[in-house]
Amino acid sequence: QVQLVESGGGVVQPGRSLRLSCVASGFNFNDFGMHWVRQAPGKGLEWVASFSSDDNAEHYGDSVRGRFAISRDSSKKTLYLQMNSLRVEDTAVYYCAKDRRVYSFSSFDWWGQGTLVTVSS
Amino acid sequence: DIQMTQSPSSLSASEGDRVTITCRASQVISNYVAWYQKKPGKAPKLLIYAATTLHSGVPGRFSGSGYGTDFTLTISSLQPDDVATYYCQKYHLPPHTFGGGTRVEIK
Repeated sequence: QVQLVESGGGVVQPGRSLRLSCVASGFNFNDFGMHWVRQAPGKGLEWVASFSSDDNAEHYGDSVRGRFAISRDSSKKTLYLQMNSLRVEDTAVYYCAKDRRVYSFSSFDWWGQGTLVTVSS
Repeated sequence: DIQMTQSPSSLSASEGDRVTITCRASQVISNYVAWYQKKPGKAPKLLIYAATTLHSGVPGRFSGSGYGTDFTLTISSLQPDDVATYYCQKYHLPPHTFGGGTRVEIK
């Protein structure tokens, strides 16, 4: 059974940093692309970043590019999101998600339960 | 970047009604569209991928159609458990943009 468990959320001041983790189990972590998606309070889903399994490329949404970094540690089966220069508007529940297909980007078939990040002074 | 525009933003229908949600892409995206169901406090669930393919375990009352720029999610007979917000998404090439969402309620 696929499981994705996020952690690392919390309350942080604007301009500070935070690192989210997502521990994966139940599938071959190296074979699938992985993603971060967020939902701000009262807002819709927003794609944040993706890590490609075929070429290890990183992709970012415009609102986080240059401030956030996605990475993975295959030995720990863990996906990370390093969030720097945090802004109030980054306040959201952050979900990690697994891609449905191996070695290419497709839909997101498994999701974690989410971790809340609150950016506030 | 390609934008995904959903309509309506919300709807209210009776139990058993047929419900249709539309999503329009700003450019042709073949069939690289997925639909998700999101309930408050829960993770999103994949319903449909490749515009028309029902994800494993999803009830048969959900269906998807469309190709190119115009896509539709249909619930053939609305059930109380279907109260949620629904999102379309384009994938394959980043950015994996989501539509704005459609909130579905029961009268």
